[in-house]
Amino acid sequence: SQTIHQWPATLVQPVGSPLSLECTVEGTSNPNLYWYRQAAGRGLQLLFYSVGIGQISSEVPQNLSASRPQDRQFILSSKKLLLSDSGFYLCAWSVRIRSEAFFGQGTRLTVV
Amino acid sequence: AQKVTQAQTEISVVEKEDVTLDCVYETRDTTYYLFWYKQPPSGELVFLIRRNSFDEQNEISGRYSWNFQKSTSSFNFTITASQVVDSAVYFCALSEAKDSNYQLIWGAGTKLIIKP
Repeated sequence: SQTIHQWPATLVQPVGSPLSLECTVEGTSNPNLYWYRQAAGRGLQLLFYSVGIGQISSEVPQNLSASRPQDRQFILSSKKLLLSDSGFYLCAWSVRIRSEAFFGQGTRLTVV
Repeated sequence: AQKVTQAQTEISVVEKEDVTLDCVYETRDTTYYLFWYKQPPSGELVFLIRRNSFDEQNEISGRYSWNFQKSTSSFNFTITASQVVDSAVYFCALSEAKDSNYQLIWGAGTKLIIKP
């Protein structure tokens, strides 16, 4: 069966520090991968999605970037965190671009 | 433009009551997909159902049921005999099957509180 791992679960980082969140999927090949952010515990905002290695689409201009160095690995990064980057970050995967997505457990990021 | 509206920000009911979560969507496309997700306090989003726009049959899964009405652009979710474990934020989402670009529009979510 397919599983998705996302880490760390919680992270407290100072303003201006770098960020690296990692997500890996097991049990499937060539998944579509997604990074979402959820602010204030409610609405979901799509940040990036990827349909293949090295293919990244950005939905929202921001202080963040994403990379997909391997088929089942998706990384969310920042060179310098801002206070506004605080939030709950969720990684997800799907079989096809419009099929249901399955989510990781999320990373709660607090920038101080 | 696509839009998903979950007008109920928060619903609170007593355990064993039935509760319906509303979802109204807007789309110009004839082919689209609708989804419901559950987000318990732990934070992980749990997929509940996907519905194709060509399939208007209602779906029942245990205590959960979904009513898809294209005429009113609604995809409502009902929990029968609610339980405390149903307490969560529930999201409705819409995806158009138009081109290769990914576009999943999420509602703002409805927080459901089930009181013992």
